[in-house]
Amino acid sequence: GIQVEQSPPDLILQEGANSTLRCNFSDSVNNLQWFHQNPWGQLINLFYIPSGTKQNGRLSATTVATERYSLLYISSSQTTDSGVYFCAALQGGHSGNTPLVFGKGTRLSVIA
Amino acid sequence: DTGVSQDPRHKITKRGQNVTFRCDPISEHNRLYWYRQTLGQGPEFLTYFQNEAQLEKSRLLSDRFSAERPKGSFSTLEIQRTEQGDSAMYLCASSFRQANSYEQYFGPGTRLTVT
Repeated sequence: GIQVEQSPPDLILQEGANSTLRCNFSDSVNNLQWFHQNPWGQLINLFYIPSGTKQNGRLSATTVATERYSLLYISSSQTTDSGVYFCAALQGGHSGNTPLVFGKGTRLSVIA
Repeated sequence: DTGVSQDPRHKITKRGQNVTFRCDPISEHNRLYWYRQTLGQGPEFLTYFQNEAQLEKSRLLSDRFSAERPKGSFSTLEIQRTEQGDSAMYLCASSFRQANSYEQYFGPGTRLTVT
């Protein structure tokens, strides 16, 4: 099955700094999602982005499907951005009736 | 439009006891997934349903685990004879295919502690 790798595993930023999180996947994808897991464990949907570029406020994401990677950009980081960011992929060629495969996450700490 | 809900949010049980968790998906979603997340790891797939049919089970789902989705609405996940290794966050997600979108939405999770 598809493999998903995220980097870096840990990231510490000063408030106001920008950052880029990377997600590599081993096969073509039908679904690529970015999540933010808050301290209570809830997975918050950030982007559904199997290809292309999307922006939502200070966050944006780009997936280059042909090169099998996705990037999550966080600009002007705030302490509330702290938490774990997960990338998850659904292998291409399937009908959608298959589960997401998650990376191990990037733990982001934003310091005031 | 309410999101995915799960109950209970926390469960502490003694080893050997049975526990049951409930998940209510987003109302029009016909696909429902269960995942398990242990400390420091990403969620891992356990099982999923399309309507009331259970279509796939992970090798992680031992014979002590059973899941149901009667009438294709809410789902329950039961763990029999709990072990300390079952301590984890159990996450439910749902989806509905529209215009080739496979986006999944997650509930808040049930955190299980087996003592």
